[in-house]
Amino acid sequence: GIQVEQSPPDLILQEGANSTLRCNFSDSVNNLQWFHQNPWGQLINLFYIPSGTKQNGRLSATTVATERYSLLYISSSQTTDSGVYFCAVGANFGNEKLTFGTGTRLTIIP
Amino acid sequence: DGGITQSPKYLFRKEGQNVTLSCEQNLNHDAMYWYRQDPGQGLRLIYYSQIVNDFQKGDIAEGYSVSREKKESFPLTVTSAQKNPTAFYLCASSDRVGGYTFGSGTRLTVV
Repeated sequence: GIQVEQSPPDLILQEGANSTLRCNFSDSVNNLQWFHQNPWGQLINLFYIPSGTKQNGRLSATTVATERYSLLYISSSQTTDSGVYFCAVGANFGNEKLTFGTGTRLTIIP
Repeated sequence: DGGITQSPKYLFRKEGQNVTLSCEQNLNHDAMYWYRQDPGQGLRLIYYSQIVNDFQKGDIAEGYSVSREKKESFPLTVTSAQKNPTAFYLCASSDRVGGYTFGSGTRLTVV
């Protein structure tokens, strides 16, 4: 199956800093999503981005499918950005089981 | 508001007991999924269903069972055959494009 690696595993930043989270995957994908898991365990879908670039407020994501990686950018970090960020991939379009990476734990210090 | 409801939020199981976790969605999604998360780990797929009355095993299906009798519902039973069931269980559904929505999870503890 597809392997997913995320880096760094942990990241501690001061409030207001910018960060870049990376997701590498081992094979071609047609489904790639980024999620944020808050301290209570809730997973929120941030982006569906199998290719290209998307932006939503302070967050943006870029996937370069031909080079098998995706990047999540967080600008002007806030304490509410703390939590674990997961990248998940699937080989096919549409309704599809996803393989998750082990996540990047982000801690924003006031 | 559309979403996924998981219940209960916390569940305690005695050794040798079967328990059922509920997952209901009103998003009109065809596909539903169960994932397990252990502390400090990513999510691992237990079972998934792409259509009513059909489901497939995921990577860690041993000791679990599911049913999909209605589009809205995908309950997960943790059987006594699951040797280490203490974990956080997450249910999800996906739309036609494949975008996922997750429920808020059930924390299962063996006592």
